[in-house]
Amino acid sequence: GAVVSQHPSRVICKSGTSVKIECRSLDFQATTMFWYRQFPKQSLMLMATSNEGSKATYEQGVEKDKFLINHASLTLSTLTVTSAHPEDSSFYICSARDLRTGGQPQHFGDGTRLSIL
Amino acid sequence: GENVEQHPSTLSVQEGDSAVIKCTYSDSASNYFPWYKQELGKGPQLIIDIRSNVGEKKDQRIAVTLNKTAKHFSLHITETQPEDSAVYFCAASMGTGNQFYFGTGTSLTVIP
Repeated sequence: GAVVSQHPSRVICKSGTSVKIECRSLDFQATTMFWYRQFPKQSLMLMATSNEGSKATYEQGVEKDKFLINHASLTLSTLTVTSAHPEDSSFYICSARDLRTGGQPQHFGDGTRLSIL
Repeated sequence: GENVEQHPSTLSVQEGDSAVIKCTYSDSASNYFPWYKQELGKGPQLIIDIRSNVGEKKDQRIAVTLNKTAKHFSLHITETQPEDSAVYFCAASMGTGNQFYFGTGTSLTVIP
């Protein structure tokens, strides 16, 4: 089956640090990946849609200069949280569409727990 | 845009009993409805999905039903086991290129 690998699984860092999270599709190509944010005991909130070779599409209210997304290859998308602050602490999850199955379903990574001190 | 509601938010059942989680959606253009299981500290994993041209789908102990007219779909888990304990999310999508709209989640606890 389709596997999405997300790295790192957990990050703890000081306020003001920039943090990069990687999302890789291991056995399929993904022209589109999605980045979600999840607060404790809440649903997944779509932050942005990452398209290979083009600019990401951000959801309303998500700061594109704060959350930089790069999708440079068909198997890798990165999310960089720039100058992170405690309010950015959250669980970040990526997903990828497998075109071999018509883009459905989305396959999710195991998430990154980001804690800003 | 699409609005997906999910009930109940928490559900406790005895081992061996059945569990039912219900979702409604607002946009009749939605045509794909996956269900995901999320364990603590992990990403969501697909457990079953259904497309709008089908009314019911079953995979061993798990089944999903879809009522397009009423715009609701349900997850049914029979013979529940403690390892079924997790948070379950429903979602709706309008096509292969479109985003998923997630429900608010149901925390299922199966009591041994």
